[in-house]
Amino acid sequence: RKEVEQDPGPFNVPEGATVAFNCTYSNSASQSFFWYRQDCRKEPKLLMSVYSSGNEDGRFTAQLNRASQYISLLIRDSKLSDSATYLCVVTHTGGFKTIFGAGTRLFVKA
Amino acid sequence: DTEVTQTPKHLVMGMTNKKSLKCEQHMGHRAMYWYKQKAKKPPELMFVYSYEKLSINESVPSRFSPECPNSSLLNLHLHALQPEDSALYLCASSQDLGGTSGSFNEQFFGPGTRLTVL
Repeated sequence: RKEVEQDPGPFNVPEGATVAFNCTYSNSASQSFFWYRQDCRKEPKLLMSVYSSGNEDGRFTAQLNRASQYISLLIRDSKLSDSATYLCVVTHTGGFKTIFGAGTRLFVKA
Repeated sequence: DTEVTQTPKHLVMGMTNKKSLKCEQHMGHRAMYWYKQKAKKPPELMFVYSYEKLSINESVPSRFSPECPNSSLLNLHLHALQPEDSALYLCASSQDLGGTSGSFNEQFFGPGTRLTVL
């Protein structure tokens, strides 16, 4: 079993749709949690950090459930420009070891 | 300045060549990372430097040799690579790590060097 697992995707949604990505992690030593997006042949870009209290940035909402070892990302009112691969990222206590989930590909269509 | 720069953008090398990848950041970050990313796969951590000291080596073959000359620079020296080492090599930096959480561990990536080994 992989240490960080994501929905396999791809997700194909129309513009304006709400889409949710899920991620689970297996190591209880995990300390910090992030969502990154990566466009084709580009570097990953930080979308948002994820906190136990939940956090929101415009159309994006991230949640962390430490008890269930589960992270989520909700995108509301999807735009064509949201089409990308979304990567769930976990770092261990001590902050050094960083593990990426396999990523979930999102296609937003007009 | 929130940019991480990497040179070269593209590199083609033979299996007997020696080359180096370079990474630079001017954000005052104290942790720097090397990742390898194959097509349609997520980045895989190779090395981590914290305060210019090697903190993590993820069992990377010795044909990859990292170097951190100062807190802003990170190099990856390549020697006797194999064709399967062809990949996108990404550098990242973060403000801090080692016991902290949250935004201190946010990593910012450079655009990568696309390496082809013939």
